[in-house]
Amino acid sequence: AQSVTQLGSHVSVSEGALVLLRCNYSSSVPPYLFWYVQYPNQGLQLLLKYTSAATLVKGINGFEAEFKKSETSFHLTKPSAHMSDAAEYFCAVSTLTGTASKLTFGTGTRLQVTL
Amino acid sequence: NAGVTQTPKFQVLKTGQSMTLQCAQDMNHEYMSWYRQDPGMGLRLIHYSVGAGITDQGEVPNGYNVSRSTTEDFPLRLLSAAPSQTSVYFCASSRLGGGGNIQYFGAGTRLSVL
Repeated sequence: AQSVTQLGSHVSVSEGALVLLRCNYSSSVPPYLFWYVQYPNQGLQLLLKYTSAATLVKGINGFEAEFKKSETSFHLTKPSAHMSDAAEYFCAVSTLTGTASKLTFGTGTRLQVTL
Repeated sequence: NAGVTQTPKFQVLKTGQSMTLQCAQDMNHEYMSWYRQDPGMGLRLIHYSVGAGITDQGEVPNGYNVSRSTTEDFPLRLLSAAPSQTSVYFCASSRLGGGGNIQYFGAGTRLSVL
């Protein structure tokens, strides 16, 4: 079964500092990987996705993630944190069952941005 | 541009009561799914559907029923609510046919069972 592990349930950074949120995956086949963001009291919205076209994936709001097969990782980064980045971030892997693409989520990382 | 709409946004139930969480999408997506979100556990798949009349169980289906009579709607039923079903519920939809298809989420229903 495919799975993802997010290291660190809470990450705190200063405004302007580098953001690094970690995600490792387990998959027996080339994976489709996603990062979603959840702002307080809202649903999830897609930040970016990896579908094997390129190992460095750029997303919205200045975020990017690099797929590293040798490390089975898909870490999310942003060079300079902004207060508006405070949210919960979920890494997910897609499992194709027939024609249905089912997502398996990590447990989430809550990002706090301080002044 | 509604996307995925969930109602109600909040609900409080007593143990043993029943209710239906509504989900509707206007993107003509074949695939729809229900997740529950609990602290420290991420989102877990309850049930999903690949089209009208076709549903299947996810990771945590016990205590929940679904049906899909139209492409647009995918209601989730709690027949006899239990405190363990206190959670935030999300509905999502996507196209079929590829592992890279993006799932679009509703804003969620926050359910408390007393």
